[in-house]
Amino acid sequence: KAGVTQTPRYLIKTRGQQVTLSCSPISGHRSVSWYQQTPGQGLQFLFEYFSETQRNKGNFPGRFSGRQFSNSRSEMNVSTLELGDSALYLCASSLKLAGADTDTQYFGPGTRLTVL
Amino acid sequence: GESVGLHLPTLSVQEGDNSIINCAYSNSASDYFIWYKQESGKGPQFIIDIRSNMDKRQGQRVTVLLNKTVKHLSLQIAATQPGDSAVYFCAENGGSYIPTFGRGTSLIVHP
Repeated sequence: KAGVTQTPRYLIKTRGQQVTLSCSPISGHRSVSWYQQTPGQGLQFLFEYFSETQRNKGNFPGRFSGRQFSNSRSEMNVSTLELGDSALYLCASSLKLAGADTDTQYFGPGTRLTVL
Repeated sequence: GESVGLHLPTLSVQEGDNSIINCAYSNSASDYFIWYKQESGKGPQFIIDIRSNMDKRQGQRVTVLLNKTVKHLSLQIAATQPGDSAVYFCAENGGSYIPTFGRGTSLIVHP
């Protein structure tokens, strides 16, 4: 079974631009979460989508948004890019079975975003 | 807010030694803990998890110990190999679903 895939793997943008990152979860997984990873802040939760609905959101400004499609694929968008947005953006998928109170997340390789 | 932290940012060991990576957590409501391994250029990879109703759980060459009294979690790797070199993260879930990750410990295995 294929793992979580993310595209593109690397991206260079300039301040003020916007960017869209894509994530394809493991087949059958319905939950997709996004994380930002930086050397200074570590791994920080952005948001989680399940059945095309955002269910949880981390402490990030409104410039960070996302969506999930009916096939569970997800995109995240960052508008008006700032230098501090340079980071590795990771996507993780999980089964999210009904009634399960714990769930293992499987991460993709990430998209390395550099803002100049 | 609540946080999860690691005692040591870097751990260097010789091949064949046992490695112990520690993690402290502060959310007493946390009931699920996970260890991840992240190799250079890759996303975090699930290693092992443990629920709060357990003190110990073993996998292949790895053991996770949970001490709820002092809110401490550790990952033990037996017979450490060069391929174990990576950054190891602990994560906790306190019921809000939003997981909190530690900053990571870099494990360096010398051949």
